[in-house]
Amino acid sequence: GAVVSQHPSWVICKSGTSVKIECRSLDFQATTMFWYRQFPKQSLMLMATSNEGSKATYEQGVEKDKFLINHASLTLSTLTVTSAHPEDSSFYICSASPPQAQRYEQYFGPGTRLTVT
Amino acid sequence: GDSVTQMEGPVTLSEEAFLTINCTYTATGYPSLFWYVQYPGEGLQLLLKATKADDKGSNKGFEATYRKETTSFHLEKGSVQVSDSAVYFCALTITGFQKLVFGTGTRLLVSP
Repeated sequence: GAVVSQHPSWVICKSGTSVKIECRSLDFQATTMFWYRQFPKQSLMLMATSNEGSKATYEQGVEKDKFLINHASLTLSTLTVTSAHPEDSSFYICSASPPQAQRYEQYFGPGTRLTVT
Repeated sequence: GDSVTQMEGPVTLSEEAFLTINCTYTATGYPSLFWYVQYPGEGLQLLLKATKADDKGSNKGFEATYRKETTSFHLEKGSVQVSDSAVYFCALTITGFQKLVFGTGTRLLVSP
């Protein structure tokens, strides 16, 4: 149980275009979802926290207009990288928490590698 | 700010060898400490946790003890297997916050 999927697993896009990454909780309802970014040999950095039906809370330094997060249902959250540039190339990981979960109780997706050319 | 420091990898061991992966932390409050494991092609999974000083977390033969005096939470296993090959992440949360702060991860490679 507690499986989280991400789609696509990798994507290549041209500079200036937008790309959407989906995060789904397959066997539980996720009231809270998290989006992380990971650079090579660096830790996972939390980008934003989203609760179903409300606006995402972004971490300091994360551009809200560039990284659009939508959590429209209890099983799906999307991250859209708008007007992508090569510096947005990274590994993006989502996680999801069921209702009334402990704060550490996050189930992680396998990640999406984005390359912007 | 709160942070976690892990030893750089990769750590390369032969099967049945003893494993230690070092983790130290800096936190202003009273953190809970965690080890996550990521197997190839899969998402991070919680391996073990400790919520207060001197607690020992254990799971699947892995252990880690919350040492407040040395601000450490080193991961150990007495006899590793090839199937333990993965990336291991040390992490913390601070009381009252849901945010996880991760270390950089340590890749473990176990050969037969």
